[in-house]
Amino acid sequence: AQSVTQLDSQVPVFEEAPVELRCNYSSSVSVYLFWYVQYPNQGLQLLLKYLSGSTLVKGINGFEAEFNKSQTSFHLRKPSVHISDTAEYFCAVSDAGGTSYGKLTFGQGTILTVHP
Amino acid sequence: DGGITQSPKYLFRKEGQNVTLSCEQNLNHDAMYWYRQDPGQGLRLIYYSQIVNDFQKGDIAEGYSVSREKKESFPLTVTSAQKNPTAFYLCASSIGPLGTGELFFGEGSRLTVL
Repeated sequence: AQSVTQLDSQVPVFEEAPVELRCNYSSSVSVYLFWYVQYPNQGLQLLLKYLSGSTLVKGINGFEAEFNKSQTSFHLRKPSVHISDTAEYFCAVSDAGGTSYGKLTFGQGTILTVHP
Repeated sequence: DGGITQSPKYLFRKEGQNVTLSCEQNLNHDAMYWYRQDPGQGLRLIYYSQIVNDFQKGDIAEGYSVSREKKESFPLTVTSAQKNPTAFYLCASSIGPLGTGELFFGEGSRLTVL
């Protein structure tokens, strides 16, 4: 079974500052990793995903994440945030070996608030 | 455009009433899911279905029921047995057991019990 820990429940940051949202996972098998974003009263939208290959993954809206297998982490970064990035962000993991039948395990979410 | 449609977006219910939330997908996905979201509690899995006419309980199935009679549709009924039904409900789909687990979400339905 997998588990996901998002280390910060809330992250306040000023506009145009860099931001990092931290995600650690636990799994005994190879994994696929995802970051989703949720704006108020909306569904979740995929930001980026790591399936294989390069450990640096680029997504939409200028976000990127780096898969670190030795530290079992998948932190999300953006070099300069905008007010419009204010949202809740979810990290998720699934079992690449198929034993979880394609089901995702989610972290508890991190609320990013960008201040002017 | 392919996607997931949830309806209604907002729903009010009196205590003791059952209510059904609709979820339709045209992505030709095998698997469909229902999540409940409460402030500060992340996403909690209610029910999921990996194939037509089959479904499994998730982590918080008590007080809920589902059906999967068609591949495209996975309605959720919130019964009067659900003690605290006020929440934001999200439907999602994925390719299924042979996929990566990537979920595609609907826009959500907010249920308020008066």
